[in-house]
Amino acid sequence: GAVVSQHPSWVICKSGTSVKIECRSLDFQATTMFWYRQFPKQSLMLMATSNEGSKATYEQGVEKDKFLINHASLTLSTLTVTSAHPEDSSFYICSAGGNEKLFFGSGTQLSVL
Amino acid sequence: GENVEQHPSTLSVQEGDSAVIKCTYSDSASNYFPWYKQELGKRPQLIIDIRSNVGEKKDQRIAVTLNKTAKHFSLHITETQPEDSAVYFCAASRNNAGNMLTFGGGTRLMVKP
Repeated sequence: GAVVSQHPSWVICKSGTSVKIECRSLDFQATTMFWYRQFPKQSLMLMATSNEGSKATYEQGVEKDKFLINHASLTLSTLTVTSAHPEDSSFYICSAGGNEKLFFGSGTQLSVL
Repeated sequence: GENVEQHPSTLSVQEGDSAVIKCTYSDSASNYFPWYKQELGKRPQLIIDIRSNVGEKKDQRIAVTLNKTAKHFSLHITETQPEDSAVYFCAASRNNAGNMLTFGGGTRLMVKP
């Protein structure tokens, strides 16, 4: 299947700092990528849809100024958690479609102290 | 929007027994139904999917059935093995592809040796 790479796999940061997470489609071009958030023992919740060359579409309740998404190329989308706080600690996963199916990155475990 | 309900939330079976996980969806326009397996701290992996033009699909020990009239679909795992232990998510999409998925709440499957 298609390969989606996500970095970093884990990050620990101080409250108030910003964290950038990268999502890359390695062997296909993705005009659309998706960002999810997953709390322990819970399902994946779609945060936003990242569109190459245009603004991301955010789900209801997701602050666009806090979770900045940039999709500058057909193979890269980034999620920046700005001014992170402990309640932002979570598992963040990106996904992208290839051959009509959806493939996930390896996820980023964010811990905000 | 779409709402996907998944049951049970936890399932414990003896090695060799069968496991069945059921999902219902609300949007009659949904036409693509994938199932993902997620091991702790790892990315969800697509294990099988079904489109609305078929009622059943099988891949070795895994099968999925779809009842569009009743708006429910099920995952069947036969001859379960300890390595099948994971969290399984069903999902639904209305664009016949893996984009814009709505996930069920997940089922934690435990296969006892």
